[in-house]
Amino acid sequence: NAGVTQTPKFQVLKTGQSMTLQCAQDMNHNSMYWYRQDPGMGLRLIYYSASEGTTDKGEVPNGYNVSRLNKREFSLRLESAAPSQTSVYFCASSRQGHTGELFFGEGSRLTVL
Amino acid sequence: EDKVVQSPLSLVVHEGDTVTLNCSYEVTNFRSLLWYKQEKKAPTFLFMLTSSGIEKKSGRLSSILDKKELSSILNITATQTGDSAIYLCAGDPSGTYKYIFGTGTRLKVLA
Repeated sequence: NAGVTQTPKFQVLKTGQSMTLQCAQDMNHNSMYWYRQDPGMGLRLIYYSASEGTTDKGEVPNGYNVSRLNKREFSLRLESAAPSQTSVYFCASSRQGHTGELFFGEGSRLTVL
Repeated sequence: EDKVVQSPLSLVVHEGDTVTLNCSYEVTNFRSLLWYKQEKKAPTFLFMLTSSGIEKKSGRLSSILDKKELSSILNITATQTGDSAIYLCAGDPSGTYKYIFGTGTRLKVLA
């Protein structure tokens, strides 16, 4: 039972480089999320996708783009990485509606030098 | 602006103690509040509270929603070292499912 799978788990980038974080869920969930977690800041929502083909900005969307490729996959792209984007990124999914419970991936630790 | 505020920021107790963690939420058109436990990696789900389900219990953990005060508490009785973690609370502003999280309470239980 894989649940929510994120890749890569660790990445080091130089300022200005681009990269994509991949996320896939196998629970047939409609909703998917990208959060970032910084020390003392809790989890902050970057982008949200209620269903395939739809995306919506969260609290901190600047510097990021997302793609909801299909129901299973939701990717997060950094076009020009900045040191302020050094963080741990979590992808999550939920069935939406009745339970609202979010299922999280293991996280991706990104360092931008 | 919608926000979720947790207190205390950190807490150190001894095994066997009872702890109470607080979460206050200022979200428009409240629909649900979630509690999570985060150890080393991914947050794991504990409880969801709604207007129709204001009290939940699982083993030594319990949670209550106070709709009037716009707050929730998470109680842990007879704490164990395995309860050491960050406890996160999240609110659902305007029923959008775009959950916003508090900064968390870091609990350390000493043997």
